[in-house]
Amino acid sequence: SQTIHQWPATLVQPVGSPLSLECTVEGTSNPNLYWYRQAAGRGLQLLFYSVGIGQISSEVPQNLSASRPQDRQFILSSKKLLLSDSGFYLCAWSPGLAGVSNEQFFGPGTRLTVL
Amino acid sequence: SQKIEQNSEALNIQEGKTATLTCNYTNYSPAYLQWYRQDPGRGPVFLLLIRENEKEKRKERLKVTFDTTLKQSLFHITASQPADSATYLCAPRFNDYKLSFGAGTTVTVRA
Repeated sequence: SQTIHQWPATLVQPVGSPLSLECTVEGTSNPNLYWYRQAAGRGLQLLFYSVGIGQISSEVPQNLSASRPQDRQFILSSKKLLLSDSGFYLCAWSPGLAGVSNEQFFGPGTRLTVL
Repeated sequence: SQKIEQNSEALNIQEGKTATLTCNYTNYSPAYLQWYRQDPGRGPVFLLLIRENEKEKRKERLKVTFDTTLKQSLFHITASQPADSATYLCAPRFNDYKLSFGAGTTVTVRA
């Protein structure tokens, strides 16, 4: 069966510090991968998605970046965090083949607080 | 750009009653629409998917309808239980690979 991992679970970082959040998926190949952010009491905002290694699409221009160095690994980064980067970060995957159920499977999330 | 609106942020109902949640969207219709459940501090969990050519979908005590004329989906929880208390997210798919999520409706079922 498929499993999605995210770490760390919680993170407290000072403004201006770098960020690296990692997400890995097990039990599937060539998944579509997604990074979302959820601010307190708000909906999910799609930040990046990837349909393959090295293929990243950005939805919202900001100081974050994403990379997909391996098929089942998705990394969210920042060189300098802002206060507004605080939130709940969720990684998700969906089957990569068109026509297959496109439901998304979410990881446990990372709670990021920028002070 | 597309706008997704879910009815009132919070819905409080008595155990055993039916909860009805609304999801409205603007502009063109999505190829399909999904509903997710999210518990506090957790990632969303997929519940149901309904395609644009389907009028209704059921899964146990859950029912989803899709009206492309009204640009609306309704999500019903029948015979509600306290364990159904959660936030429910509507997610239409307008473009390849991507879902657009509504802000969610928080349902609280009182025993």
